[in-house]
Amino acid sequence: DQQVKQNSPSLSVQEGRISILNCDYTNSMFDYFLWYKKYPAEGPTFLISISSIKDKNEDGRFTVFLNKSAKHLSLHIVPSQPGDSAVYFCAASTPRSNDYKLSFGAGTTVTVRA
Amino acid sequence: EADIYQTPRYLVIGTGKKITLECSQTMGHDKMYWYQQDPGMELHLIHYSYGVNSTEKGDLSSESTVSRIRTEHFPLTLESARPSHTSQYLCASSASGTSGEGEQYFGPGTRLTVT
Repeated sequence: DQQVKQNSPSLSVQEGRISILNCDYTNSMFDYFLWYKKYPAEGPTFLISISSIKDKNEDGRFTVFLNKSAKHLSLHIVPSQPGDSAVYFCAASTPRSNDYKLSFGAGTTVTVRA
Repeated sequence: EADIYQTPRYLVIGTGKKITLECSQTMGHDKMYWYQQDPGMELHLIHYSYGVNSTEKGDLSSESTVSRIRTEHFPLTLESARPSHTSQYLCASSASGTSGEGEQYFGPGTRLTVT
């Protein structure tokens, strides 16, 4: 069964506006969460991560929010740029249990309109 | 910047052929992974290794096999390719004990088509 879910397969946003991507998980043992960006015919590239002991992590235009009680995290991209058009994957793991395997969502395709 | 390489990038091969997908990393990472991904779907872990001479099967059953004789090298082999093996194969590596708690760095992938 899929433990990480991205329920919005696509998102279209105007350049300069905020992109908000959502991710839900079912396994309460997950304690580390990551976002990856993927262009066609390339491998995913790491964007930003957050540990379960935090509720927010920021890196430049990217901010990830974690709501443990709701088992929900989101990625905010502000401002959105044309180069942000890609597929974004949410992933989760349990490194504190020495389990470094990642469980991925199905991805959200972001299109930034000029 | 991650240094992880996969060859070939694209492969079209006939049914029944044996293939090996190569993956190498120059970062000295102890952990390596193979994922399979189809368009619009999540990445599925098919094999992983936490060190030399240690390999495990992932969550998605796969007819492929892997080996880890050297830290930097983690090849994946299909003894007899079938059309159902058509997919993108992604290799990744990570290091434990870092502040990032194990971000995985991915290679560019191999797009395999079995005819």
